[in-house]
Amino acid sequence: NAGVTQTPKFQVLKTGQSMTLQCAQDMNHNSMYWYRQDPGMGLRLIYYSASEGTTDKGEVPNGYNVSRLNKREFSLRLESAAPSQTSVYFCASSIQGANQPQHFGDGTRLSIL
Amino acid sequence: AQSVTQLGSHVSVSEGALVLLRCNYSSSVPPYLFWYVQYPNQGLQLLLKYTTGATLVKGINGFEAEFKKSETSFHLTKPSAHMSDAAEYFCADPGAGSYQLTFGKGTKLSVIP
Repeated sequence: NAGVTQTPKFQVLKTGQSMTLQCAQDMNHNSMYWYRQDPGMGLRLIYYSASEGTTDKGEVPNGYNVSRLNKREFSLRLESAAPSQTSVYFCASSIQGANQPQHFGDGTRLSIL
Repeated sequence: AQSVTQLGSHVSVSEGALVLLRCNYSSSVPPYLFWYVQYPNQGLQLLLKYTTGATLVKGINGFEAEFKKSETSFHLTKPSAHMSDAAEYFCADPGAGSYQLTFGKGTKLSVIP
């Protein structure tokens, strides 16, 4: 009963390094999302994938890229990490669209020095 | 774009007291609204979901929310707080026909023994 699985759980990077955050869901959901959570800011949408084969920008896409690898997997890439990208990153999925409840992973805590 | 306002970033109540967490939405006609809960070091979990036509929505763990169109509000309540209710609570609005879920900035609930 895994739901949404995110890897890694913790990561420390140096400014300028790159990395990919992985997300996989086993609920046969069509839509997947990447959010960042910062203190006092709530959750902000970075990118989403309405269905397999499509991706779109959210509220804060700058500095990030995504890949919807297949129906199960949706990855988030930081090409050149900056300290402003220090945050907790959450992946979520829903049956189809934001009108359906979203199921969240436990997050990746990313620190960029 | 829609906005979600949660009044009070931090609310403290005594164990057994009424819990009231406030949320105001901006969508002209919200077909859906959500409340999510986040326990420390975890992802968000769905508490309850409003769908068009309902006024009082019951969720998990004894929580409920009342939709008031005239006040553009969707406040969350629980008659008697438990220690286990200590968490952060988020109100969210998907807007109409959107893949983007807009979250409020969250209210952290503390329960005093």
